[in-house]
Amino acid sequence: DAMVIQNPRYQVTQFGKPVTLSCSQTLNHNVMYWYQQKSSQAPKLLFHYYDKDFNNEADTPDNFQSRRPNTSFCFLDIRSPGLGDAAMYLCATSRPHVADSYEQYFGPGTRLTVT
Amino acid sequence: AQTVTQSQPEMSVQEAETVTLSCTYDTSESDYYLFWYKQPPSRQMILVIRQEAYKQQNATENRFSVNFQKAAKSFSLKISDSQLGDAAMYFCAYRRTSYDKVIFGPGTSLSVIP
Repeated sequence: DAMVIQNPRYQVTQFGKPVTLSCSQTLNHNVMYWYQQKSSQAPKLLFHYYDKDFNNEADTPDNFQSRRPNTSFCFLDIRSPGLGDAAMYLCATSRPHVADSYEQYFGPGTRLTVT
Repeated sequence: AQTVTQSQPEMSVQEAETVTLSCTYDTSESDYYLFWYKQPPSRQMILVIRQEAYKQQNATENRFSVNFQKAAKSFSLKISDSQLGDAAMYFCAYRRTSYDKVIFGPGTSLSVIP
């Protein structure tokens, strides 16, 4: 089945130690998103790619970076994680400009713990 | 700027009963999409139902239906014959047709009482 896959599902890192989260998709969607979600809150958009065009949200900390080497893969790099970065990180895809679509397809998320 | 409001942080419903979750939004656009997403305790977000603003007919998906009032900028979700598996966080979301960002509401936590 076509899907959005996130690895790992659970990630523990130390304060200040760089960490990379990965997302892959078999849907061939041209837009990929990274969200941060804290407990009982709505997802907060960090950035998104439209094909290779990178779009950063104005309030996304510089500590967060992203890479999209090809259509299928997207990575979230946290350069120096702080305790406040502990959260669920959601990857999503979509294919805008398709008349019957516009919804996002979400992966299961990676829960990041910072010790 | 577009905003999405969900005024009910928590709701509960008896199993087999009907519940309505409220959502209002603010936009100056005439063409857009609205969504209800469900996020169960396992945390995978899934689409429940989608409404295109240019369609006057309310969307329905099995036990889920919406009441879309474009002039009032209201988009409520009705869940009929509630089941234990409906217990989840529900997010109302808005997307401009030609733009890639989705605006989420703060969510409503729905409990289903056996």
